[in-house]
Amino acid sequence: DGGITQSPKYLFRKEGQNVTLSCEQNLNHDAMYWYRQDPGQGLRLIYYSQIVNDFQKGDIAEGYSVSREKKESFPLTVTSAQKNPTAFYLCASNDRGFVADTQYFGPGTRLTVL
Amino acid sequence: AQSVTQLDSHVSVSEGTPVLLRCNYSSSYSPSLFWYVQHPNKGLQLLLKYTSAATLVKGINGFEAEFKKSETSFHLTKPSAHMSDAAEYFCVVRLGGSQGNLIFGKGTKLSVKP
Repeated sequence: DGGITQSPKYLFRKEGQNVTLSCEQNLNHDAMYWYRQDPGQGLRLIYYSQIVNDFQKGDIAEGYSVSREKKESFPLTVTSAQKNPTAFYLCASNDRGFVADTQYFGPGTRLTVL
Repeated sequence: AQSVTQLDSHVSVSEGTPVLLRCNYSSSYSPSLFWYVQHPNKGLQLLLKYTSAATLVKGINGFEAEFKKSETSFHLTKPSAHMSDAAEYFCVVRLGGSQGNLIFGKGTKLSVKP
């Protein structure tokens, strides 16, 4: 089955620790995205990557970092600099970047900072 | 500036009655518009999209939406609600031009009563 997987589903972190969220896709998509979702708000774009070895900041990139060493993988690191990291994180991909109409979403990772 | 407004944060209907979820947009360009559905603790699934073809768009699970340029609206409807329709629904506009970011509404939570 083709799709996007995110792991883990639930993640707990102590304040001051960095944590990395995994996103893998086997759809052969060029573009991948990370969004943050908070209650009562829509999704906000953190980072995106239109091609391997390239990525761009989205609207709320502060306190986050990414890498895109492989086409199928786009991990997100939530650093200790992120002031309010507790949220639901969604990864998405599509095959032509922003010119394509549809993004396909993974099931999400819920991060809780204790 | 491009934006999208979902007029109701919560809509409650009885099973078998019509569903109306309202969305207004603001866009300088001819927009692409989408509706996504999210079940609890899941990723987003595309319901339907408008990309300047027919103004009445049919999607999955019996949903449809009508693009009305004069009213800058893209309301989502379904003739008869089913219990499995209970979820959160997001109206999304895609920016035009080379950037093409998705702008998400804040979501409408649909409850379906037996």
